[in-house]
Amino acid sequence: QVPLQESGPGLVKPSQTLSLTCTVSGGSISSGAYYWSWIRQHPGKGLEWIGYIYSNGNTYYKPSLKSRVTIALDTSKNQFSLKLSSVTAADTAVYYCARDPVGAKPTDYWGQGTLVTVSA
Amino acid sequence: DIQLTQSPSFLSASVGDRVTITCRASQGVRSYLGWYQQKPGKAPKLLIYTVSTLESGVPSRFSGSGSGTEFTLTISSLQPEDFATYYCQQISSYPATFGQGTKVEIK
Repeated sequence: QVPLQESGPGLVKPSQTLSLTCTVSGGSISSGAYYWSWIRQHPGKGLEWIGYIYSNGNTYYKPSLKSRVTIALDTSKNQFSLKLSSVTAADTAVYYCARDPVGAKPTDYWGQGTLVTVSA
Repeated sequence: DIQLTQSPSFLSASVGDRVTITCRASQGVRSYLGWYQQKPGKAPKLLIYTVSTLESGVPSRFSGSGSGTEFTLTISSLQPEDFATYYCQQISSYPATFGQGTKVEIK
């Protein structure tokens, strides 16, 4: 069973806000054992780390995206979310939610990824 | 941001070959360096973390080494299921960053 699953619109219009949700199963996002991250991959390209949120609500965003990114927790639903505002075609990518163990271990589990296309 | 540069970007090899991929960092990343394998249409899979620690379930033909700013991923005997793209990642300094990837294809 995949413990992380992304959901959200696959098509977003330019200048609008991209919104994705990651549902976590098999453990509580409030446990404090993990950071909860978003990573994206432009078509045919490499991986870009977007940001993370910790169980206490602390966030860290990639500086070049910081003005447009919000990551939030919904502990009642065991979910976390990504909002990316003012999107352009350059934001077209596969978006992954992921979990990063607290400590020296990097992302150890990824969702399956969801393609978001920005187009009118 | 710490830049990670992988070499080569593309590698053609045969089953049974020993394969080495290098990841160079623009500044020291201590031991916070990991390696991922990604197959087409799939999410990356963690292979190695903290330079040389093998993730649970990963075959022992994969190994990692290095220190400071230069690191290597070695596959001792390439298997058919190893043809994929490999990425290094550093979490020594945020934002976390990835190398550009090394695609390993069948010769």
